[in-house]
Amino acid sequence: NAGVTQTPKFQVLKTGQSMTLQCAQDMNHNSMYWYRQDPGMGLRLIYYSASEGTTDKGEVPNGYNVSRLNKREFSLRLESAAPSQTSVYFCASSEDEAGASETQYFGPGTRLLVL
Amino acid sequence: QQQVKQSPQSLIVQKGGISIINCAYENTAFDYFPWYQQFPGKGPALLIAIRPDVSEKKEGRFTISFNKSAKQFSLHIMDSQPGDSATYFCAASYRGGYNKLIFGAGTRLAVHP
Repeated sequence: NAGVTQTPKFQVLKTGQSMTLQCAQDMNHNSMYWYRQDPGMGLRLIYYSASEGTTDKGEVPNGYNVSRLNKREFSLRLESAAPSQTSVYFCASSEDEAGASETQYFGPGTRLLVL
Repeated sequence: QQQVKQSPQSLIVQKGGISIINCAYENTAFDYFPWYQQFPGKGPALLIAIRPDVSEKKEGRFTISFNKSAKQFSLHIMDSQPGDSATYFCAASYRGGYNKLIFGAGTRLAVHP
């Protein structure tokens, strides 16, 4: 099993450009998450999807949109990139939202630079 | 608003020593406290987790100590090894919160041989 995969690994954008970050998991997990990681700030939740067909905002949703395409895939879209969105983006999944299956499994990350 | 405060930002320990990382939280509704380990260029991975019904949990060289009244928890790494050099994040979440993790800022640990 590949676990959680993310594409691309690295991307450079110009201010105002758009792009979609892709995430897929092969663990049949119900819940999926998008985080951004910035130096000195840990990881902050952008959006999450508790189950297929549902999405909701996290701590820092402004400037982003998401789509839970199916149970496996959860994409993050930047409609008009800004330098403040330069960050490392991580996708994660968990079997369920509560109980013993709370462990979140993270992908390898996408490093995004917005010029 | 930072709900989970982590210290220190960085830590240098000699091989064989004890590494201690501390976290404090504000929201008394939190009931799940995991620690994640992240190596450079990789995603975080769960190391160990605790719930507030116990005061300590040990897995190999890694121990979480939990103080509910003080709203603090800490990670102890016994017999630290160079391979433990990584960034460590504490986190918290609560039942009914859709497993949304609130992370601390991270601690960069370097274990010198």
